[in-house]
Amino acid sequence: SYALTQPPSVSVAPGQMAKITCGGDNIGSKSVHWYQQKPGQAPVLVVYDDSDRPSGISDRFSGSNSGNTATLIITRVEVGDEADYYCQVWEINSDHPVFGGGTQLTVL
Amino acid sequence: QIQLVQSGAVVRKPGASVKVSCKTSGYSFTAYGVNWVRQVPGQGLEWLGRVNPYNGYTVYAQKFQDRLTVTSDTSTSTASMELRSLGPDDTAVYYCAKVDYGDYTNWLDSWGQGTLVIVSS
Repeated sequence: SYALTQPPSVSVAPGQMAKITCGGDNIGSKSVHWYQQKPGQAPVLVVYDDSDRPSGISDRFSGSNSGNTATLIITRVEVGDEADYYCQVWEINSDHPVFGGGTQLTVL
Repeated sequence: QIQLVQSGAVVRKPGASVKVSCKTSGYSFTAYGVNWVRQVPGQGLEWLGRVNPYNGYTVYAQKFQDRLTVTSDTSTSTASMELRSLGPDDTAVYYCAKVDYGDYTNWLDSWGQGTLVIVSS
């Protein structure tokens, strides 16, 4: 089955840009979705279809996807962005979602 | 607005079963699938299965195929998940999530608040 690889942690200073990667075999040929999960809360969709944002999500969140790496980009990072972030693709053959292992974003 | 409200936390003994419900509102229940995802404490997200409320069609992760049943009730717009033969490693927060559809892809755009299931003797 298809595997997604994320770094366990990323650290960034407030006001800077954070990049969280999601690796997979030819992931650029798939659509990637991203979720934010704060402690004790349910995941929230922040980016879908590589780079689209749901209504109500800050335009500081964006995404890109090419080759073997998809990236979630958070500009002007705030303390409130501290959370775990998960990437996800849909496995067409078996018709189910596949999640990356998650990345903990720390705002120093 | 779209809401998915799950049943409350439960404690079960090893070998028992658990049923978690997910009452939905704010959208056409039969137009979108409902997925179940769990999270063991301190770990990542794990997909369990899903149901299409329009026709009752289900898909299960192979790991849970033999002991998971996902259902839907269109009269109450409620999806449910029953997991049998529980073991301590089934202790987790269980989430329901509404799917949305794209071209050759789907994503989970709305989630329930989660239900903590503790398996302990």
